[in-house]
Amino acid sequence: QTVLTQPPSVSGAPRQRVTISCSGSSSNIGNNGVNWYQQLPGKAPKLLIYYDNLLPSGVSDRFSGSESGTSASLAISGLQSEDEADYYCAAWDDSLNGYVFGTGTKVTVL
Amino acid sequence: EVQLVESGGGLVQPGGSLRLSCVVSGFTFSSSLMSWVRQAPGKGLEWVATIEQNGTEKYYVDSVKGRFTISRDNANNSLYLQMNNLRAEDTAIYYCATVGVLGDFDSWGQGTLVTVSS
Repeated sequence: QTVLTQPPSVSGAPRQRVTISCSGSSSNIGNNGVNWYQQLPGKAPKLLIYYDNLLPSGVSDRFSGSESGTSASLAISGLQSEDEADYYCAAWDDSLNGYVFGTGTKVTVL
Repeated sequence: EVQLVESGGGLVQPGGSLRLSCVVSGFTFSSSLMSWVRQAPGKGLEWVATIEQNGTEKYYVDSVKGRFTISRDNANNSLYLQMNNLRAEDTAIYYCATVGVLGDFDSWGQGTLVTVSS
């Protein structure tokens, strides 16, 4: 079940700042923390941001997260070629009693 | 270093069964919630199931309820996913993942591919 909506793609030039939105509802983003994952081509996903805006150890501070109401955003500043990947938001959904992922966003560095 | 290694994937006919395993190391397995997440070819991530530390509470996505069973063996640092009555739409890479205290999937295995086809 995919109930979080993301734009299919986002692109930017090197060193630019891009943002990815994640739209949900009161049963998921509105009431629980949002996590973001980065999936490089052919690799397993990796935790990028947890509980809306916390950075795991080892993750570059070029990545930041925010949340407002039933939406969340991931920002990537100083875009680099190594940031080309798929990005997914996720949250626990109280109505479904399970986790839901976003539809995924492909980031392209021009 | 946290390590999760999945195994047990393969080709199975529709209606068949498969048991996936995930052996973990580098952390206290018995203290961690664990999950399975899958990804169909060319598609996005989908949460499949989560099991609490002592194995009593389990949660499933609707599409696998009654067909899949998540379990764990804390003595052997292992997580399992028993998959019965498999369908073509279950074809995916299956990842096991640890669940952090704030509900995030903080460590992932490399995945094991399950293909359901006749």
